[in-house]
Amino acid sequence: QFQLHESGPGLVKPSGTLSLTCGVSGASIASSFWWGWVRQPPGKGLEWIGEVYHDGTTTYNPSLKSRVVISVDKSNEQFSLRVSSVTAADTAVYYCVRDTRSRYQPLHGGEFGTWGQGTLVTVSS
Amino acid sequence: QSVLTQPPSVSGAPGQRVTLSCTGSSSNIGAGFKVHWYQQLPGEAPKLLIFSDIHRSSGVPARFSGSKSGTSASLAITGLQPEDEADYYCQSFDSSLTGSKVFGGGTKLTVL
Repeated sequence: QFQLHESGPGLVKPSGTLSLTCGVSGASIASSFWWGWVRQPPGKGLEWIGEVYHDGTTTYNPSLKSRVVISVDKSNEQFSLRVSSVTAADTAVYYCVRDTRSRYQPLHGGEFGTWGQGTLVTVSS
Repeated sequence: QSVLTQPPSVSGAPGQRVTLSCTGSSSNIGAGFKVHWYQQLPGEAPKLLIFSDIHRSSGVPARFSGSKSGTSASLAITGLQPEDEADYYCQSFDSSLTGSKVFGGGTKLTVL
């Protein structure tokens, strides 16, 4: 059964770097989909962070682009998120997702067909 | 402030029909970009409900349907059931600046 599973520290200090990993099981990360991250601050709505293809190509939300890096580790069937210079505003449940669009489909194609269960990251000293 | 506007709350009695709206602009829904809908049950991750405006995701009951017209999209639920109580989010693409996937602020559906 295809599943995504987030892991990483639940607490990060202000001005530090948030790092999360998403493990892919039941499917190959080298399949023809994009892999991404979506976050949800407590009690608020969803925000798309960005995506990576298994060849390392990335695309990011312009509002977060300067602080975000998404990378892929094909050998371990996982992909990762790093958000630098975090503040309390980055406190959120972070979900990893699979976007159904294929490699050369434009960003506006595809939808988030599969979601991980989410992991809460709190930014606090 | 979300690029896509959804009413914060909608309610209906069991068996009734409700419609959830998602209003955008000429740089997103009005430009023809597809709209997708997600259901988030309490304490759970979102789940894809409707994709590409009108298509139900695998396993989604036919009571759920999507539509789109102009700069708006709608999710209709007929025969409302208690288990439909959840948050619902619309999602599309916005072409302003360099382009980005965007979500609505979400609608909390209460089954009375």
